[in-house]
Amino acid sequence: SAVISQKPSRDICQRGTSLTIQCQVDSQVTMMFWYRQQPGQSLTLIATANQGSEATYESGFVIDKFPISRPNLTFSTLTVSNMSPEDSSIYLCSASEGYGNQPQHFGDGTRLSIL
Amino acid sequence: QKEVEQDPGPLSVPEGAIVSLNCTYSNSAFQYFMWYRQYSRKGPELLMYTYSSGNKEDGRFTAQVDKSSKYISLFIRDSQPSDSATYLCAMSERDDKIIFGKGTRLHILP
Repeated sequence: SAVISQKPSRDICQRGTSLTIQCQVDSQVTMMFWYRQQPGQSLTLIATANQGSEATYESGFVIDKFPISRPNLTFSTLTVSNMSPEDSSIYLCSASEGYGNQPQHFGDGTRLSIL
Repeated sequence: QKEVEQDPGPLSVPEGAIVSLNCTYSNSAFQYFMWYRQYSRKGPELLMYTYSSGNKEDGRFTAQVDKSSKYISLFIRDSQPSDSATYLCAMSERDDKIIFGKGTRLHILP
């Protein structure tokens, strides 16, 4: 299965600033996803990162707040914009190796705290 | 009713015991069922991936899916302290959007 690396692993940021999280996969993958994991809550899908086109966002998440790039089949970024303490969470990248009956594998996440 | 229900635990069992973890769900369109294991400060690691109803076994792990009851289970035989982690059930209609349970914290007592 694909190995997924995320950077940074953790960060502490000031309110109102933005942070870009990078996700690198060691092989070409068809689909990449971004999730949020808040304490005591299940993983929630933020968006699907589409290569060569705009990301597909889930209800409750918007592009202005969480812009996503996917310039190729091995790399994606998620930016958390104009951060507030409510954005403190773990952000996880996942990837799937193909269409049809292919499971998702996850990176170790970025632990983000907003002061 | 939430789409996926999972008892958060914690569940503590002695080493060597059989562990049973369960989830219920409400969406009858779910076809793909997964169990992930997540250690502290790590990402979810895929343990089991099944399609539709039935059983699947991999070493000490057995996954069961009962679509008629909307109920899935993960059994761990001969449990080890290294099995102590949070176990997340997950499911999807297709191979894209996954809906996760909140996870069950499992402690295996030496």
